[in-house]
Amino acid sequence: GNSVTQMEGPVTLSEEAFLTINCTYTATGYPSLFWYVQYPGEGLQLLLKATKADDKGSNKGFEATYRKETTSFHLEKGSVQVSDSAVYFCALSAKAGNMLTFGGGTRLMVKP
Amino acid sequence: NAGVTQTPKFQVLKTGQSMTLQCAQDMNHEYMSWYRQDPGMGLRLIHYSVGAGITDQGEVPNGYNVSRSTTEDFPLRLLSAAPSQTSVYFCASSSGQGAYNSPLHFGNGTRLTVT
Repeated sequence: GNSVTQMEGPVTLSEEAFLTINCTYTATGYPSLFWYVQYPGEGLQLLLKATKADDKGSNKGFEATYRKETTSFHLEKGSVQVSDSAVYFCALSAKAGNMLTFGGGTRLMVKP
Repeated sequence: NAGVTQTPKFQVLKTGQSMTLQCAQDMNHEYMSWYRQDPGMGLRLIHYSVGAGITDQGEVPNGYNVSRSTTEDFPLRLLSAAPSQTSVYFCASSSGQGAYNSPLHFGNGTRLTVT
């Protein structure tokens, strides 16, 4: 079946540090890949997405590249801010429709 | 524009009690779904609906019932609560064009504790 594996957190960084959150997946066919973010007390929001190999999704300074050869979709940001503190979820959609398979989530804490 | 509204925000039940978690969306979305979020396990799909009158099971449907009588509402029913159902529950909706073209819109969640 389909699965998504994320690095376990929490990840604690100082403001302006470089961020990488690893995500790998297992899926049949050619899935679409997503990063969702959950701020404290809220539901998840779409952060970025990519639909095919070598596509790069980007938003709010975050980037992730769809790497089919390594089945990965790592999230990166060059300079994190305190306001980026949240839980980040990698997810995939492997078939028509809207069903997503989520990873376990990675909590990011950014200290001033 | 309210988006996806879930009620209640918090609920404590005793084992064996029943309750309904409410979910309503005002975006005229065809697709609605329920997820549960447990520590370290991400979100797991419980049930989903692709339109009024149509529902189907997700990854972890046991112990939960759903119905979709209108486009706007998608309630989740626990008929006999168990401690294993202690979790945070999220309702989500999208326009039904497929996950890539239409991202899921999530409610703010219901935190349920079963003692």
